[in-house]
Amino acid sequence: SQQGEEDPQALSIQEGENATMNCSYKTSINNLQWYRQNSGRGLVHLILIRSNEREKHSGRLRVTLDTSKKSSSLLITASRAADTASYFCATEKTGGFKTIFGAGTRLFVKA
Amino acid sequence: GAGVSQSPRYKVAKRGQDVALRCDPISGHVSLFWYQQALGQGPEFLTYFQNEAQLDKSGLPSDRFFAERPEGSVSTLKIQRTQQEDSAVYLCASSLDPQMNTEAFFGQGTRLTVV
Repeated sequence: SQQGEEDPQALSIQEGENATMNCSYKTSINNLQWYRQNSGRGLVHLILIRSNEREKHSGRLRVTLDTSKKSSSLLITASRAADTASYFCATEKTGGFKTIFGAGTRLFVKA
Repeated sequence: GAGVSQSPRYKVAKRGQDVALRCDPISGHVSLFWYQQALGQGPEFLTYFQNEAQLDKSGLPSDRFFAERPEGSVSTLKIQRTQQEDSAVYLCASSLDPQMNTEAFFGQGTRLTVV
């Protein structure tokens, strides 16, 4: 079974609005990663946050990590139609090798 | 190469046929992963290699699935006697060093359709 669970499952917003997606996981982790996947395409890595980090920024992306709550959030500011995609969080368990994905949040940004 | 390369991009197999899916990771990447992604779902872990060693194969759904990476570079995922439930996109990813806590880079995937 997958470790990460994203919330919401689907999100529809207007261009220019902010989009927030959440991820919860179950065990201790080395790091948490966020990926984007456009329909029919491969996964594109967005950002990696290590277990000793609390917040990271990359352009319009902001990721937070709360290890006490075993949760993370991805904020996309000033969304664009091109941000329409599925977003997945993925966790690498402490002491393990595999990276486990959640089921994803499907974001639709209306122009 | 510049990225992770997978071949073929699309494969249609008749039920019962054997298939082999290839993954060329980024040169020098130690870690290699295989994932299976069903339509509308997140990728499901299949197996992990560190160089040529298969350290985790806990995600392989049955003994019909077999993966190898004999020289620590190119990897092949083989599915014997394919079934309709094997239809999915098979994704390969590589990362630089398991000790360095770095991102994984994904290929475009192989879409397998079993008819």
